Amino acid sequence: NAGVTQTPKFQVLKTGQSMTLQCAQDMNHEYMSWYRQDPGMGLRLIHYSVGAGITDQGEVPNGYNVSRSTTEDFPLRLLSAAPSQTSVYFCASSPTNTEAFFGQGTRLTVV
Amino acid sequence: DQQVKQNSPSLSVQEGRISILNCDYTNSMFDYFLWYKKYPAEGPTFLISISSIKDKNEDGRFTVFLNKSAKHLSLHIVPSQPGDSAVYFCAARSGSGSKLTFGKGITLSVRP
Repeated sequence: NAGVTQTPKFQVLKTGQSMTLQCAQDMNHEYMSWYRQDPGMGLRLIHYSVGAGITDQGEVPNGYNVSRSTTEDFPLRLLSAAPSQTSVYFCASSPTNTEAFFGQGTRLTVV
Repeated sequence: DQQVKQNSPSLSVQEGRISILNCDYTNSMFDYFLWYKKYPAEGPTFLISISSIKDKNEDGRFTVFLNKSAKHLSLHIVPSQPGDSAVYFCAARSGSGSKLTFGKGITLSVRP
């Protein structure tokens, strides 16, 4: 039981490039979310999903896309990377959106 | 407008003493509150939670108190240990199925 797995752990992108941050969970949780953590800002919700085929925007969705084709996977796509998207990204899953389990994070730098 | 506020960015306590981490909220619809702990280069891990129908929940050295009239909750750690040094996030949700809203976090340092 691996829990929540995020890949990659580190990534450097050039401005304008696109990429996908992967998130997979093996706990059969319905709820999955993406957060970003910035200094002094805490954890801010980007997008979330309450089940396969259902996604919704969080607090800071601009510049990001998500899809949820399976219960296990919830990838986060950066369409055209900007320096403002330099951050640490966390994926989380939970059975009922109460006690969320987080991945180890992806540290993204956009230059 | 920030709905979950952790106004003190840091706290330093001596090993063996009590650590009290505070959290305020503005949304009266919040019905479930959680505390998460985060070490550097790791993801947050769940610590303890409390439902709005309770005013206290205890788990070992960790106790969370909820004062609904004041829209305030606090996490007490007794006794504090150096391994408790981490960032602590307060989070809240309004109704089953809704998303979690996090505070900015408090950095706790426990001095040996």
